Amino acid sequence: GAVVSQHPSWVICKSGTSVKIECRSLDFQATTMFWYRQFPKQSLMLMATSNEGSKATYEQGVEKDKFLINHASLTLSTLTVTSAHPEDSSFYICSARGGRGWENSPLHFGNGTRLTVT
Amino acid sequence: AQTVTQSQPEMSVQEAETVTLSCTYDTSENNYYLFWYKQPPSRQMILVIRQEAYKQQNATENRFSVNFQKAAKSFSLKISDSQLGDTAMYFCAFTVGGATNKLIFGTGTLLAVQP
Repeated sequence: GAVVSQHPSWVICKSGTSVKIECRSLDFQATTMFWYRQFPKQSLMLMATSNEGSKATYEQGVEKDKFLINHASLTLSTLTVTSAHPEDSSFYICSARGGRGWENSPLHFGNGTRLTVT
Repeated sequence: AQTVTQSQPEMSVQEAETVTLSCTYDTSENNYYLFWYKQPPSRQMILVIRQEAYKQQNATENRFSVNFQKAAKSFSLKISDSQLGDTAMYFCAFTVGGATNKLIFGTGTLLAVQP
């Protein structure tokens, strides 16, 4: 089946630094990727939708200058948390969809990245 | 606004028994899709079952089945012959047709299968 690889699986960084998370579709072309954030024992909150070759669409309340998303190719999207603060500590999950229409392209999820900002 | 509501934060079931998780949603769209995802302690999101709104027949996938009531905007998940490996957080999710097709998740139900 379709595989989405997310890297790193966990990262610890100091306040003020930036962290990049990668999301790769390994065996299909992902025209659309989604980035979610999940706090402990809570649901997945959609942060943004990224489409290959165009700017990401951010959900209301998500700071686009803080959470930079780049989807430069059909197999890679990156999320960069800039000037990270402890409140950015969370579990970040990417998902990818390929093809046209959901019937041929259900969402495939990465394994997530646990970010801890000290 | 499109919303998904799961009214049961936690549920417990004995091994081999049947349990039903509830989900309601709200949308003015006519063309949409519903899903149940499972998130075990590993936190990997696993698709359990999906339902197209235009199909009247309830989806089934082995021990998992849904009761889709379109008029009531209800989409419950029934797990038969519960197994210990079914212990997980279960999320109901919803997406409309269209270019963005973003998936909106409910708040989740933590299911514990007891031996």
